Amino acid sequence: GENVEQHPSTLSVQEGDSAVIKCTYSDSASNYFPWYKQELGKRPQLIIDIRSNVGEKKDQRIAVTLNKTAKHFSLHITETQPEDSAVYFCAASMNNYGQNFVFGPGTRLSVLP
Amino acid sequence: DVKVTQSSRYLVKRTGEKVFLECVQDMDHENMFWYRQDPGLGLRLIYFSYDVKMKEKGDIPEGYSVSREKKERFSLILESASTNQTSMYLCATLAEWGQTKGTEAFFGQGTRLTVV
Repeated sequence: GENVEQHPSTLSVQEGDSAVIKCTYSDSASNYFPWYKQELGKRPQLIIDIRSNVGEKKDQRIAVTLNKTAKHFSLHITETQPEDSAVYFCAASMNNYGQNFVFGPGTRLSVLP
Repeated sequence: DVKVTQSSRYLVKRTGEKVFLECVQDMDHENMFWYRQDPGLGLRLIYFSYDVKMKEKGDIPEGYSVSREKKERFSLILESASTNQTSMYLCATLAEWGQTKGTEAFFGQGTRLTVV
């Protein structure tokens, strides 16, 4: 089955700097890669996703890149702000009916003022 | 807005007790999931269901069972709670936006279960 690894497990950046979180997956059949953000005490929520026919997707300060050949995808946050502090989970899915997401172990991002 | 509601935010149970965690969704989604969340291990799938009375084992089903008698309700059952089942439990449903738009998991607020 699918296995998703995520690095780093913790990341501290100064406010205004960029943050990058990288995930690798094992199953080449996976074709959908969402990212979820979980703030302290709250439920995970989708922040951005990418499908396998696209190499990069941006939404304001966040972007995701996908390298299908190398089977890795990354989350990029620019101009980080304190409210970006959270745990971020990547996931991989075959996006078929009944399929589920396989989540990475998570990255705890701390943005220092 | 999709609403996924878990019956309890915090629970404390004794070893050996039978524990029921309830999850209700209001969006008529077919797919529902139970995960447990532990530090450093992320979200691990316990069971999922893609229809009423249908269930599939996830990655860590041992010690758990599930029930889906109605489409909107998915229950997780700990037959005989043990201390290693102390964890945060998250229920989720899956919205499928179609071939071009992908899918999105909607999570409940979580139940923090402590087994003593």
